Amino acid sequence: LAKTTQPISMDSYEGQEVNITCSHNNIATNDYITWYQQFPSQGPRFIIQGYKTKVTNEVASLFIPADRKSSTLSLPRVSLSDTAVYYCLVSLSFISNFGNEKLTFGTGTRLTIIP
Amino acid sequence: DSGVTQTPKHLITATGQRVTLRCSPRSGDLSVYWYQQSLDQGLQFLIQYYNGEERAKGNILERFSAQQFPDLHSELNLSSLELGDSALYFCASSPRTGSKNIQYFGAGTRLSVL
Repeated sequence: LAKTTQPISMDSYEGQEVNITCSHNNIATNDYITWYQQFPSQGPRFIIQGYKTKVTNEVASLFIPADRKSSTLSLPRVSLSDTAVYYCLVSLSFISNFGNEKLTFGTGTRLTIIP
Repeated sequence: DSGVTQTPKHLITATGQRVTLRCSPRSGDLSVYWYQQSLDQGLQFLIQYYNGEERAKGNILERFSAQQFPDLHSELNLSSLELGDSALYFCASSPRTGSKNIQYFGAGTRLSVL
């Protein structure tokens, strides 16, 4: 099972860089790592996806070590609007008619930005 | 706007009743996923359809069922409702199925069972 483990919560001050790490020890060879952001009462929103090394887009960076058993989402210079829950998804491992794996977002990391 | 449309936005019903939640995926997306999110809980995967066929099943109760129609919209049917079924139900869609496919989520349907 490609189960993910993240810290339950984190606090940070505005303007700081925030790093959220996700552990996925049983990641499969064909699994990608995807991060989503969710605001209260809204659907999750895609942030970034990677397979190995480093990926950067306009909102975040994703660092993946060579063994791929963990990944770190980096948010530069956070603001109050970055307060949200962040989910790491090792996609897509799922209970299917063809396999024996489970799709899960896990509990996510609740990030609170302090003024 | 993700391009995924869910209706209705809110639903209030009584225990023992049956409801249907509807999802229209993004144009061109073949996969539809359903999730349940109870208050302050994570997302629980319920079921996935791909091009009309059930692809994967998660923690879906026997009282719940879903289907994907030829036009690719999907419906989630919840029956014999219990108080504990009160939650946000999200639909997501992706172009195909597989590890690299990013899921795009709708705004959700908030179900309240009284």
